[in-house]
Amino acid sequence: EIVMTQSPATLSVSPGERATLSCRAGQSINRNLAWYQQRPGQAPRLLIYGASTRATGIPPRFSGGGSGTEFTLTISSLQSEDFAVYYCQQYHNWPPLTFGGGTKVEIK
Amino acid sequence: EVQLMESGGGLVQPGGSLRLSCAASGFIFSSHDMNWVRQAPGKGLEWISNIRTSGDVTNYADSVKGRFTISRDNAKNSLYLLMNSLTAEDTAVYYCVRDNAVLTGYYFFDYWGPGTLVTVSS
Repeated sequence: EIVMTQSPATLSVSPGERATLSCRAGQSINRNLAWYQQRPGQAPRLLIYGASTRATGIPPRFSGGGSGTEFTLTISSLQSEDFAVYYCQQYHNWPPLTFGGGTKVEIK
Repeated sequence: EVQLMESGGGLVQPGGSLRLSCAASGFIFSSHDMNWVRQAPGKGLEWISNIRTSGDVTNYADSVKGRFTISRDNAKNSLYLLMNSLTAEDTAVYYCVRDNAVLTGYYFFDYWGPGTLVTVSS
């Protein structure tokens, strides 16, 4: 099983500022990584796949990077609707498909 | 518009069984692999099962293997999850999720239902 580790667990950011979230894989997953956003009380929503490709309708302030074992999700200028929990997921080797523990982005 | 809608959640006693359903619309259901992902209260996401388009190949997380059974009815555009021998650790919101494999060959999740809550308690 490929273990996914996200950091930090909580990130406090002011609106308009930049946020950078990290995700580490327990072994190389090439670029087989997706990011999801989950707002309170809602289902997760796909943001990024292939480590850096934005899903349909995702604004360009969201960008993904990395390969191998180290990945980042950057939100260039936080909007009010971006305060949420973010999860990474690997699909390089499965079963099982595995998620990171999540990073909560909260208002500073 | 792709829509997924789960039903069948509720309160069940430990050791009991429950069957979840997911009604799909807005896409060719029979052409897509489908999954169940769950989220315990206040916790992260856990993939639990996948079923291929024809239903002949299934995969499970170790945590549910031998207790849960995923199935589908392509004629009814429906996905199911039969859950047996439930324990408190199975308490979670269960999401019906489409993956993108048929389009890209990769198993990330492009559409999610709103989820249905399963509570296992006496």
